[in-house]
Amino acid sequence: NAGVTQTPKFRVLKTGQSMTLLCAQDMNHEYMYWYRQDPGMGLRLIHYSVGEGTTAKGEVPDGYNVSRLKKQNFLLGLESAAPSQTSVYFCASMVSGGANEQFFGPGTRLTVL
Amino acid sequence: SQKIEQNSEALNIQEGKTATLTCNYTNYSPAYLQWYRQDPGRGPVFLLLIRENEKEKRKERLKVTFDTTLKQSLFHITASQPADSATYLCALDNTGRRALTFGSGTRLQVQP
Repeated sequence: NAGVTQTPKFRVLKTGQSMTLLCAQDMNHEYMYWYRQDPGMGLRLIHYSVGEGTTAKGEVPDGYNVSRLKKQNFLLGLESAAPSQTSVYFCASMVSGGANEQFFGPGTRLTVL
Repeated sequence: SQKIEQNSEALNIQEGKTATLTCNYTNYSPAYLQWYRQDPGRGPVFLLLIRENEKEKRKERLKVTFDTTLKQSLFHITASQPADSATYLCALDNTGRRALTFGSGTRLQVQP
């Protein structure tokens, strides 16, 4: 079991460029999440999904889009990157039913110049 | 507004002592609370979950308490070791969203 994997690990973008971050999990989890982590601010929820084909907004969704076409994959897109989106992005997954642990990926460090 | 507060200052303790970390929250009524450990450059790793009707939960050298009246959780590591040095995050369920809201974490440094 690879658990939760994220691609890429590092990326540098110029302002206005677009990119997609890929999250994959092999645990057959229903729920998947995208967070960003900035110094002193902890993890903030961007978008999440409670099942294939569903997505919902989290705490800081502006500037991001997501898609969950397959149960095992959750994509996070930046259509026009801004320096404020420089951050470390974490994906997580969780089995359905609530009150369960979230499993996190290793993170993607994104810098927008 | 809703807020989760963890001590932003690092906690430095001597090996063998008990580390106690605090998580306070306002304007939440969580059904459960979780604690995670995060090492530099890595994603958080789940440690413990405690439900609103539980006062205390233990796992090996870890103990968590949950006081819904005080709106506070305490996280204890007994007989601390240098390997326990990490950032510890508390997280509350965001009722109805099936998602967690995280505190900003407290960095623990255990000196040998």
